[in-house]
Amino acid sequence: KNQVEQSPQSLIILEGKNCTLQCNYTVSPFSNLRWYKQDTGRGPVSLTIMTFSENTKSNGRYTATLDADTKQSSLHITASQLSDSASYICVVRAGGGSNYKLTFGKGTLLTVNP
Amino acid sequence: DSGVTQTPKHLITATGQRVTLRCSPRSGDLSVYWYQQSLDQGLQFLIQYYNGEERAKGNILERFSAQQFPDLHSELNLSSLELGDSALYFCASGRRGTETQYFGPGTRLLVL
Repeated sequence: KNQVEQSPQSLIILEGKNCTLQCNYTVSPFSNLRWYKQDTGRGPVSLTIMTFSENTKSNGRYTATLDADTKQSSLHITASQLSDSASYICVVRAGGGSNYKLTFGKGTLLTVNP
Repeated sequence: DSGVTQTPKHLITATGQRVTLRCSPRSGDLSVYWYQQSLDQGLQFLIQYYNGEERAKGNILERFSAQQFPDLHSELNLSSLELGDSALYFCASGRRGTETQYFGPGTRLLVL
């Protein structure tokens, strides 16, 4: 069964600090892994999409890593800002073409305090 | 603002009723995706349309259906509504050849 587990469930940090969110998956056949940021009550916003051959991908202060061997991904946020307070969702796509499945993690709720 | 619009923003209805949610994709995007987000189930992929044709199916119930029209806007029809259908429904759009999806603001459905 395809599963995506995210940790921690929630995290509180001080503004300016760095943090790392984890995503472990058991999805086959792996196609890509996506990280989304979702502000409360709003639609998710894509941060990164990584395929099997990519180890690291950055989007501003957000850096995602992927280890396809251990089936783990992390999202590192550098120099956090108050606006980083949101839920971060890891999504893994299995399969390609029109025969694909998307498995969603339950998200990590990040709170950045001043 | 992602450029994806969804109407209505809020919808309150009763069990057993039918509703239609509407989505207009970003200009130039041929793909439309529908998602459901509830507190207990999290985010779930329902269905994808590409240029008017059904492309992929996720966890969409038989009571739910969708279509994409020639002008590329899409509608999600929910019928025989149950309390458990109360959720946020998101539409996303994307361009051909790219996996990046742009989400709309969502429609919050409350079934009483």
